[in-house]
Amino acid sequence: QVQLQESGPGLVKPSETLSLTCTVSGGSISSYYWSWIRQPPGKGLEWIGYIYYSGSTNYNPSLKSRVTISVDTSKNQFSLKLSSVTAADTAVYYCARGVTYYYDSSGGRSIYFDYWGQGTLVTVSS
Amino acid sequence: SYVLTQPPSVSVAPGQTARITCGGNNIGSKSVHWYQQKPGQAPVLVVYDDSDRPSGIPERFSGSNSGNTATLTISRVEAGDEADYYCQVWDSSSDPIFGGGTKLTVL
Repeated sequence: QVQLQESGPGLVKPSETLSLTCTVSGGSISSYYWSWIRQPPGKGLEWIGYIYYSGSTNYNPSLKSRVTISVDTSKNQFSLKLSSVTAADTAVYYCARGVTYYYDSSGGRSIYFDYWGQGTLVTVSS
Repeated sequence: SYVLTQPPSVSVAPGQTARITCGGNNIGSKSVHWYQQKPGQAPVLVVYDDSDRPSGIPERFSGSNSGNTATLTISRVEAGDEADYYCQVWDSSSDPIFGGGTKLTVL
């Protein structure tokens, strides 16, 4: 059974960098799209970005200038850095495994998230 | 960017059928996934690729997708189905997009 576990500081000061790590157990980090998704208190889900095990990345355009996602296959971990944080970045941060596939003959592709970490609340406050 | 629209809330009596919609421009041409999120818990995938169920998800959960609307149907609703439900697609920019979420209340 694949398990994901987020770790990192629960409190970050405004203008500083939020750093989280997700440790994957019960399976290899090879293949799949390893993702970060967040949820502000009382609000919906927002995709932050993902990294393929080979290192290629894709980020949410609204966060792209502040986000870096990296992977360490030797440790079965991937990490998130979000710079210049403000109170609007306060949220529960989830890591998740993304499965991609082609769903039609014309090359239509999709992704879904089948395993999620329990989430970690990060509060941005001085 | 692509927008998914869900009703904020749906209410249903136990034993009845709940239908939660997810609207998007020509969403029928995309593959839609659904997640259930109970308070204080991480989301759980309940339907993927429009209508497939992951292992362990009851057959009461089903999905359909056509035209501009995808639908998650929960048959014989139970009190334990009360949760927030989110639809999700992958848009043309290779960005995963989530709907705003629907709160299912079991009366």
